[in-house]
Amino acid sequence: DIQMTQSPSAMSASVGDRVTITCRASQGITNYLAWFQQRPGQVPKRLIYGASLLQTGVPSRFSGSGSGTEFTLTINNLQPEDFATYYCLQHDSYPYTFGQGTKLEIK
Amino acid sequence: EVHLVESGGGLVQPGRSLRLSCTASGFNFGEYGMNWVRQAPGKGLEWVGFIRSTAYGGTTYYAASVKDRFAISRDDSKSVVYLQMNSLETEDTAVYFCTRGGGYVVSDYWGQGTLVAVSS
Repeated sequence: DIQMTQSPSAMSASVGDRVTITCRASQGITNYLAWFQQRPGQVPKRLIYGASLLQTGVPSRFSGSGSGTEFTLTINNLQPEDFATYYCLQHDSYPYTFGQGTKLEIK
Repeated sequence: EVHLVESGGGLVQPGRSLRLSCTASGFNFGEYGMNWVRQAPGKGLEWVGFIRSTAYGGTTYYAASVKDRFAISRDDSKSVVYLQMNSLETEDTAVYFCTRGGGYVVSDYWGQGTLVAVSS
């Protein structure tokens, strides 16, 4: 099974900051990587698919990059509504696997 | 508009069975694979399993933690995907979500989830 190691597990930042979250796959997954945002008490929402493709309706301050085994989610100009937990998901091979999550908190 | 609505959750004793349903609308259900994802209280997301579209044989795949206990099926005539959960354990306590799609479509839409609590 492919293991997804997400880092950091938690971080704090201020409105207007730029933050980067990383996911590393235990083996190559080409670009079969998606990113999700989950606000407290809400259903997860897909932000990025294909490692770098922005989901329709998601603000352009979100971006994804990477291929193979290392991937990043970058959020520019953090907004108050961006403080949430973020997860990566590999869907290259079964079983699909999520990263452990990154909780982004307000500094 | 795409809608996914889960149902069938509740309180169940360890060792018992439960079947969840996810009713889809707003898209051609038969053309899509469907996932189940769960989230234990205060924990992260865990992928549970996937069923391919009928055109691709309706093949199923599972996480190791549920393989041989859980089974996913679908009824395209009703636009419903099921999760049959047998030999339930306390560790299966979670909110269960159904999500649409595999490949690049993976989990583009989510249901609201249904809570399964396994306790004596």
